[in-house]
Amino acid sequence: AQTVTQSQPEMSVQEAETVTLSCTYDTSESDYYLFWYKQPPSRQMILVIRQEAYKQQNATENRFSVNFQKAAKSFSLKISDSQLGDAAMYFCAYRGMYSGGGADGLTFGKGTHLIIQP
Amino acid sequence: DAGITQSPRHKVTETGTPVTLRCHQTENHRYMYWYRQDPGHGLRLIHYSYGVKDTDKGEVSDGYSVSRSKTEDFLLTLESATSSQTSVYFCAISEFPTGEEAFFGQGTRLTVV
Repeated sequence: AQTVTQSQPEMSVQEAETVTLSCTYDTSESDYYLFWYKQPPSRQMILVIRQEAYKQQNATENRFSVNFQKAAKSFSLKISDSQLGDAAMYFCAYRGMYSGGGADGLTFGKGTHLIIQP
Repeated sequence: DAGITQSPRHKVTETGTPVTLRCHQTENHRYMYWYRQDPGHGLRLIHYSYGVKDTDKGEVSDGYSVSRSKTEDFLLTLESATSSQTSVYFCAISEFPTGEEAFFGQGTRLTVV
């Protein structure tokens, strides 16, 4: 079974600074997808960024980028120019490329609570 | 935003009573999922469906059952609610079983007293 570990329960950053959230995972599969989801106080789960394991290039979405290290099974999220609206819980998630006869859903880490200091 | 509606959004129920949560989608996606979110655990998969009347168990399925009689509706039932089932429940949908991101509903906060 796959596992996803987020070792930072909480992170704090000054507005306009850069912060990196860590995520490691364990899998025996060679092809898979990784995601970062954001959950603001509204409770809505919002996709931030997605990375395909077969792509060597790190995904980027505006101020959000990832550092994907496949051999190390590491998938960190960098938020540049942090804004007050970035304050939220951030979840790292894994999804396999191949499922066994059905959909296996996402495997989530426990989350990192990101605080933005004005 | 993906068309996913969960009902109810909040519910308080007594131990031992049956509870049904509903997830309704307007996206015609094949795959639907129920997750629960608890502090310190992230989201964990309860059950999922890969088509009408096709369902399977997830990581934390004990005490829960599901049904999908129509593409658009996925029901989660707690046959006899317990305090350990106090949680926030999320429904999610996706078009494909792997790779594609899942779109989530707004969540249902269930309190069992």
